[in-house]
Amino acid sequence: DGGITQSPKYLFRKEGQNVTLSCEQNLNHDAMYWYRQDPGQGLRLIYYSQIVNDFQKGDIAEGYSVSREKKESFPLTVTSAQKNPTAFYLCASSISGRETQYFGPGTRLLVL
Amino acid sequence: GIQVEQSPPDLILQEGANSTLRCNFSDSVNNLQWFHQNPWGQLINLFYIPSGTKQNGRLSATTVATERYSLLYISSSQTTDSGVYFCAVERTGTYKYIFGTGTRLKVLA
Repeated sequence: DGGITQSPKYLFRKEGQNVTLSCEQNLNHDAMYWYRQDPGQGLRLIYYSQIVNDFQKGDIAEGYSVSREKKESFPLTVTSAQKNPTAFYLCASSISGRETQYFGPGTRLLVL
Repeated sequence: GIQVEQSPPDLILQEGANSTLRCNFSDSVNNLQWFHQNPWGQLINLFYIPSGTKQNGRLSATTVATERYSLLYISSSQTTDSGVYFCAVERTGTYKYIFGTGTRLKVLA
């Protein structure tokens, strides 16, 4: 089945620790996105990538980093500089930057 | 930046009722999408609708870009329609989508 997978489903971070969230898609989509969702809120864009080896900051990129070495993969690292990382993280992809976005199941990040 | 407002923020319906959800945006946009987020957090794309009207079963959507609003119609609602409905707009020329704060819908059996 084609789709987007995110792992892990739940992730616990200790103070001062970097953690990496995985996002993989087998839809052959060029564009990929990372969003953050806080309780009761809409989604906010962290980073997006229109093509391999290229990515752009979204509205809340501080404390996060990404890479796009392969078309199918767009991992997100939550660094220790992100002081309030507890949230629901959603990855999405689309054929190009202006088409329908398809979302993965999300990763819930909690700080210990 | 663009402001995206959705109304109503909360809605409770009896099964079988119809409803209209509204999305207003403050500036011109390239594209608009409607999503449904189920109670487990999964987002499903309902419509990609930068302008005009589309229908998919019991759901339909209309976007009037010149007047900066979009409407999502749900007819004969079912309990499985419960969840949060988001609209998202693409800022012109940016590939960046801005999400509204959502309408939380609960359909009672």
